[in-house]
Amino acid sequence: AQSVSQHNHHVILSEAASLELGCNYSYGGTVNLFWYVQYPGQHLQLLLKYFSGDPLVKGIKGFEAEFIKSKFSFNLRKPSVQWSDTAEYFCAVNRASGTYKYIFGTGTRLKVLA
Amino acid sequence: EPEVTQTPSHQVTQMGQEVILRCVPISNHLYFYWYRQILGQKVEFLVSFYNNEISEKSEIFDDQFSVERPDGSNFTLKIRSTKLEDSAMYFCASSDRELAFFGQGTRLTVV
Repeated sequence: AQSVSQHNHHVILSEAASLELGCNYSYGGTVNLFWYVQYPGQHLQLLLKYFSGDPLVKGIKGFEAEFIKSKFSFNLRKPSVQWSDTAEYFCAVNRASGTYKYIFGTGTRLKVLA
Repeated sequence: EPEVTQTPSHQVTQMGQEVILRCVPISNHLYFYWYRQILGQKVEFLVSFYNNEISEKSEIFDDQFSVERPDGSNFTLKIRSTKLEDSAMYFCASSDRELAFFGQGTRLTVV
């Protein structure tokens, strides 16, 4: 079955700490990978995406993610978080053909302490 | 930047009533979707729509749900007889292919 797992449900960090959020997927075939952020009361915003090519992708706001095909993983990283990064982060996958529907992970709620 | 817009932002309805959630996708997109997020849970796929018909639907999308693109711009989700468990945030999305853009959501509260 298609699934996306995010291992950390709640993360609390101090400002300037480094962040790594795990994401693993189970999905047959060629996939596209995404990280979305949802600030309180707002819609899903794309942080970064991987379609093909360099497995290390850089996104907005200093975020990056690395696709490791052998591990079916797409972990999100940021070297130094800010208070404004407090939000919920969703990993998502879709197949590179067909309906392109997204399968989302359960989300990680990040709180950054000032 | 083009965006997906949804109305209303919040809808309260009585159990058993019909609701219609509205979405205006990005104009040159071909694929349209509805997702929902029950409070505290993950975002779940409901239905995808392409070429004026449903291309895929989930188990959640039962006979109480329907979608329409009545005028070539709006994309609607109808729930015929709402249940308490339909209370959720409903997101519309559109894409040209792999990358979807999401609306700000409609929070549906069934009382």
